[in-house]
Amino acid sequence: DQQVKQNSPSLSVQEGRISILNCDYTNSMFDYFLWYKKYPAEGPTFLISISSIKDKNEDGRFTVFLNKSAKHLSLHIVPSQPGDSAVYFCAARRDQGAQKLVFGQGTRLTINP
Amino acid sequence: NAGVTQTPKFQVLKTGQSMTLQCAQDMNHEYMSWYRQDPGMGLRLIHYSVGAGITDQGEVPNGYNVSRSTTEDFPLRLLSAAPSQTSVYFCASRPQKNTEAFFGQGTRLTVV
Repeated sequence: DQQVKQNSPSLSVQEGRISILNCDYTNSMFDYFLWYKKYPAEGPTFLISISSIKDKNEDGRFTVFLNKSAKHLSLHIVPSQPGDSAVYFCAARRDQGAQKLVFGQGTRLTINP
Repeated sequence: NAGVTQTPKFQVLKTGQSMTLQCAQDMNHEYMSWYRQDPGMGLRLIHYSVGAGITDQGEVPNGYNVSRSTTEDFPLRLLSAAPSQTSVYFCASRPQKNTEAFFGQGTRLTVV
């Protein structure tokens, strides 16, 4: 049972344009959401997060939007740069005490020059 | 700064062999966890620890053991390796009050 889904395995975007990565979840008890970025042969690195009490969080070129009624979040990258080419994982927190994370399958983003 | 260090980076095992994947962090983080990454599956939690002497199971614990005798180290033991355990394994740590975790570089394990 995949509680966090990233339905697009890959995405290709022109340099300078906007990249939009999507994530859907099924568990309404998730209260905190994160995006991680992963380069080949490296571990994931934290990118940006959002609490369920907010609908938007911005950090430089990265903005995460949360639509709780639709159980959907998205990551916007503007403008996209070649260094943004990586696999992006969406994650959701379940169980605030132990703070377990449930990850999506990942989306491979390729930024074309 | 070393952060989270995993060893080895690569390992090939024969079915039935046992081994330990090492994980060490130098940030004095209370929480540590092990994930496995498989194609199309994302990262799945194997075991986690909220402090020295305390461990618990994640989503996919079968075939793995952990212990946490010190704050710094959180080894993952494969008791009898199976081809289904072929995967990339990531160790992560974080401070108690944060949700954002720091990940190691991963161990690519192949069981033949």
